[in-house]
Amino acid sequence: DIVITQDELSNPVTSGESVSISCRSSKSLLYKDGKTYLNWFLQRPGQSPQLLIYLMSTRASGVSDRFSGSGSGTDFTLEISRVKAEDVGVYYCQQLVEYPRTFGGGTKLEIK
Amino acid sequence: EVMLVESGGGLVKPGGSLKLSCAASGFTFSSYAMSWVRQTPEKRLEWVATISSGGSYTYYPDSVKGRFTISRDNAKNTLYLQMSSLRSEDTAMYYCARTGFDYWGQGTTLTVSS
Repeated sequence: DIVITQDELSNPVTSGESVSISCRSSKSLLYKDGKTYLNWFLQRPGQSPQLLIYLMSTRASGVSDRFSGSGSGTDFTLEISRVKAEDVGVYYCQQLVEYPRTFGGGTKLEIK
Repeated sequence: EVMLVESGGGLVKPGGSLKLSCAASGFTFSSYAMSWVRQTPEKRLEWVATISSGGSYTYYPDSVKGRFTISRDNAKNTLYLQMSSLRSEDTAMYYCARTGFDYWGQGTTLTVSS
């Protein structure tokens, strides 16, 4: 199975600053079609996960352009610019290149 | 508006069975593969099952294979998860999600305990 690794906590950030959240895969998520099958989700307290980014760098419908995704085949970054209080929650990445689908353990974002 | 509403969760004894449902609306249900994902009490997300749009193909992780069965009724716009031989480690919030995991329901809770 592909193992997805995330840091448990990000360093607390101040509103208005930028923050990067990392995600690492034990195997390349680059498929033969040239696409990289990685999702990013945000789970706010008390809510279901919400898709932010798919195919490593494509924002989901309605997602603020403050969120951007980048990476290689095994190392990925979610960047959040101008952080707001509403961005607080746990960020998960997930691979969809093969079964079983696997998720990272999540990174908790806190604001100072 | 896409909506997914899960139901059927509850308290079950180890070894017992339960069937979850997910009612879908706001999109052409029969055109999309669907999945179940669970979130453990430790907040870990685990993919549980996926079914193709027509229902012909199903996929499971080893942890539930042989115990869980995903199915769908496209005429009723409803997704199901039949769970049997339940274990304490199956205790979780269960979400249904559309293919690509772009929409999730609000979840239904399963507790397996004697």
